[in-house]
Amino acid sequence: IAGITQAPTSQILAAGRRMTLRCTQDMRHNAMYWYRQDLGLGLRLIHYSNTAGTTGKGEVPDGYSVSRANTDDFPLTLASAVPSQTSVYFCASSAGLVSHEQFFGPGTRLTVL
Amino acid sequence: GESVGLHLPTLSVQEGDNSIINCAYSNSASDYFIWYKQESGKGPQFIIDIRSNMDKRQGQRVTVLLNKTVKHLSLQIAATQPGDSAVYFCAEKYDSARQLTFGSGTQLTVLP
Repeated sequence: IAGITQAPTSQILAAGRRMTLRCTQDMRHNAMYWYRQDLGLGLRLIHYSNTAGTTGKGEVPDGYSVSRANTDDFPLTLASAVPSQTSVYFCASSAGLVSHEQFFGPGTRLTVL
Repeated sequence: GESVGLHLPTLSVQEGDNSIINCAYSNSASDYFIWYKQESGKGPQFIIDIRSNMDKRQGQRVTVLLNKTVKHLSLQIAATQPGDSAVYFCAEKYDSARQLTFGSGTQLTVLP
């Protein structure tokens, strides 16, 4: 693989269920990010990680958690999904926090009913 | 609050013409401005960036202009092609910040 992969491609989830969105990159980038994209609102940062073992909160972190056990993987977990978390989720990576070129995955379309 | 916004939500141009996509920003402390392209069903793709101490930067068929006096950013695409049809986002970044602040996007449609 080359770049960033995300799984699943799409998911319909009942409210209250737990869900983990997977993200893997093979570029050995230090920094990784999770965004959500809602119609008319652009992309908003949920959580980020500047290197393996560290994470930080973005603009809209509530209801989401992340972990960064290694360089390649950055899963995003919804502990108890709510309908307002219906969105398209994008994972991205960059060579470092000061890099402006973020590489995005293909996205996961999540619907919470 | 601080924001990055776009003047027009949609733009239609004839194939072969030049396209200009505009963006207004309000945070004068931003050090970098970046343009991304997002094709339907795909993730955003980096196009070009410009540092705040520059007023122009050119890439392949694209030019970004920055006017700090009026806090305006534009992306010019020369000889627009059908493959340029996409949503274009501007984003801004502090030099030491961890996140990009994205605008809401402009849909560019290239007409045959």
